[in-house]
Amino acid sequence: KAGVTQTPRYLIKTRGQQVTLSCSPISGHRSVSWYQQTPGQGLQFLFEYFSETQRNKGNFPGRFSGRQFSNSRSEMNVSTLELGDSALYLCASSLDENQPQHFGDGTRLSIL
Amino acid sequence: DQQVKQNSPSLSVQEGRISILNCDYTNSMFDYFLWYKKYPAEGPTFLISISSIKDKNEDGRFTVFLNKSAKHLSLHIVPSQPGDSAVYFCAASSEFTSGTYKYIFGTGTRLKVLA
Repeated sequence: KAGVTQTPRYLIKTRGQQVTLSCSPISGHRSVSWYQQTPGQGLQFLFEYFSETQRNKGNFPGRFSGRQFSNSRSEMNVSTLELGDSALYLCASSLDENQPQHFGDGTRLSIL
Repeated sequence: DQQVKQNSPSLSVQEGRISILNCDYTNSMFDYFLWYKKYPAEGPTFLISISSIKDKNEDGRFTVFLNKSAKHLSLHIVPSQPGDSAVYFCAASSEFTSGTYKYIFGTGTRLKVLA
């Protein structure tokens, strides 16, 4: 069974640009969550999608947005990039709520 | 406000001995707890979970203990192996007023098992 796939693995952008990250969940999983990981901060929850609807949202500015498609694939977009957005962005999928989440290997975003 | 805390950033243990990783939480509404292991350049891997109706769950070398009155959970690894060297995250979830769940993660503990 294929795991969660995130593309690209690495990305370098400059301040002010925007970026789109992609996540393909495990087949059959309808819940997709996004996290930001920075040194010393652990995993910070961004948002969760289920059946193309955003079910929950963390405390991030509106520059961070996402969507989910009918095949459960999800994208995350960050606009007007700032230096502080440099982080590892992780996507996780699960069958539904309160089920273990399965993570992809992440996209490492560096802002210059 | 860090609702899930892992106060030890690192831990070193001799191979074959017990590793004990600790996690504290502040929200008494949390009812489901998980442990993840993360190797460098890989995403976290689910290890073991426990529901708030239990106080212990075991899976092979891994046992999670939950003390609800102290709002504390711990992960025991016995015996520890060099391959267990990784960063371990605890996570908790609860049903918020919106009726949906989300996971709150701790900041992680780096475990090093010495051969």
